[in-house]
Amino acid sequence: AQKITQTQPGMFVQEKEAVTLDCTYDTSDQSYGLFWYKQPSSGEMIFLIYQGSYDEQNATEGRYSLNFQKARKSANLVISASQLGDSAMYFCAMRENTQGGSEKLVFGKGTKLTVNP
Amino acid sequence: DSGVTQTPKHLITATGQRVTLRCSPRSGDLSVYWYQQSLDQGLQFLIQYYNGEERAKGNILERFSAQQFPDLHSELNLSSLELGDSALYFCASSVGSGLDEQYFGPGTRLTVT
Repeated sequence: AQKITQTQPGMFVQEKEAVTLDCTYDTSDQSYGLFWYKQPSSGEMIFLIYQGSYDEQNATEGRYSLNFQKARKSANLVISASQLGDSAMYFCAMRENTQGGSEKLVFGKGTKLTVNP
Repeated sequence: DSGVTQTPKHLITATGQRVTLRCSPRSGDLSVYWYQQSLDQGLQFLIQYYNGEERAKGNILERFSAQQFPDLHSELNLSSLELGDSALYFCASSVGSGLDEQYFGPGTRLTVT
């Protein structure tokens, strides 16, 4: 079963408007973390924002905020005042414990965001 | 610029060959992670090293191996290459063995012909 689900393969938004990218997750761990990464067409993975499962406040980083709803197991990314440079693939990821006491990231399939002028 | 470097940026090779991808973590980071991004499998965790020792293994094929050297750079070795190994290979690093902050390198795009 998928652990990270991003139901929107593609999203379109007008420049200067806000957009929400959906992410739901599945875990039985009490302690976990959720990440969002941006991947522009050039290919690099850019860390955007992190939310820990025990964080009481929703994470914010500049124009990015994470709408964390623990009971619904959702961690949606909100981008305010979209810019043309925000056009990219966006990946939601969850920190998952591995055998041996380490951790790894499990990624969703991504959402392609296109910002229209 | 994340501070993580990867070489080469692009690699084209034939089936059956062996290649080595190199990664230098950010200064001060002890953990190195390798990921594979392909069109059909998406982004998948391959393996993690922490301060020279293997810490976690993901979906890494037996034809693939990695190591982390005393200077903390890491190499991913891919052998007996198949067409399906064509992908973008990312290295990421973090300070500790946890994942509170993990930064990715620019990736190596491998094309197997």
